[in-house]
Amino acid sequence: GAVVSQHPSWVICKSGTSVKIECRSLDFQATTMFWYRQFPKQSLMLMATSNEGSKATYEQGVEKDKFLINHASLTLSTLTVTSAHPEDSSFYICSARGVRQRGANVLTFGAGSRLTVL
Amino acid sequence: QKEVEQDPGPLSVPEGAIVSLNCTYSNSAFQYFMWYRQYSRKGPELLMYTYSSGNKEDGRFTAQVDKSSKYISLFIRDSQPSDSATYLCAMSATRNTGNQFYFGTGTSLTVIP
Repeated sequence: GAVVSQHPSWVICKSGTSVKIECRSLDFQATTMFWYRQFPKQSLMLMATSNEGSKATYEQGVEKDKFLINHASLTLSTLTVTSAHPEDSSFYICSARGVRQRGANVLTFGAGSRLTVL
Repeated sequence: QKEVEQDPGPLSVPEGAIVSLNCTYSNSAFQYFMWYRQYSRKGPELLMYTYSSGNKEDGRFTAQVDKSSKYISLFIRDSQPSDSATYLCAMSATRNTGNQFYFGTGTSLTVIP
């Protein structure tokens, strides 16, 4: 149980275009989803936290107008990178917190999306 | 002081060895202690988690939590080349106290055939 599906796994786009990444909880309701960015050989960097039906909370230094997060349902959150530039190229990973084993506070991650902006 | 400290390694062991991975933390409010395995270019995979203190075993993996020392460990017995990955520890308080999850920087492990 507790599977998170993320796609696309790999996307290449031209500079100036927008890219949408989807994160779905397949077998549980995710009241909270998190979006991370990871650079090569570095740890996870939290970008934002989203709760279903409310606006996302962004970490300091993350541009909310560039990284649009929508969490419209208990099973789906999306991250849209708007007007992408080469410096936005990175590995983006979502995670979800749902109800596991009597409300355990643990996270399940998606497989990640590698974005390359040309 | 960071909330969670983890030795980044890299750690290299021969196949069949026992591997010990460790993290220390500073926040006594942490109740959930998670271990994730991350292969290159993949998202972290939850291996196991422990609530509060004690040990938990799952196959070749054993997680230990010592809250008095603020120290957690993951042991891998009979290590295999397929165990080669980066291992992340993570911690959180209870669901009622918020959404914060704290991660170690990860330990890179290579198991040599």
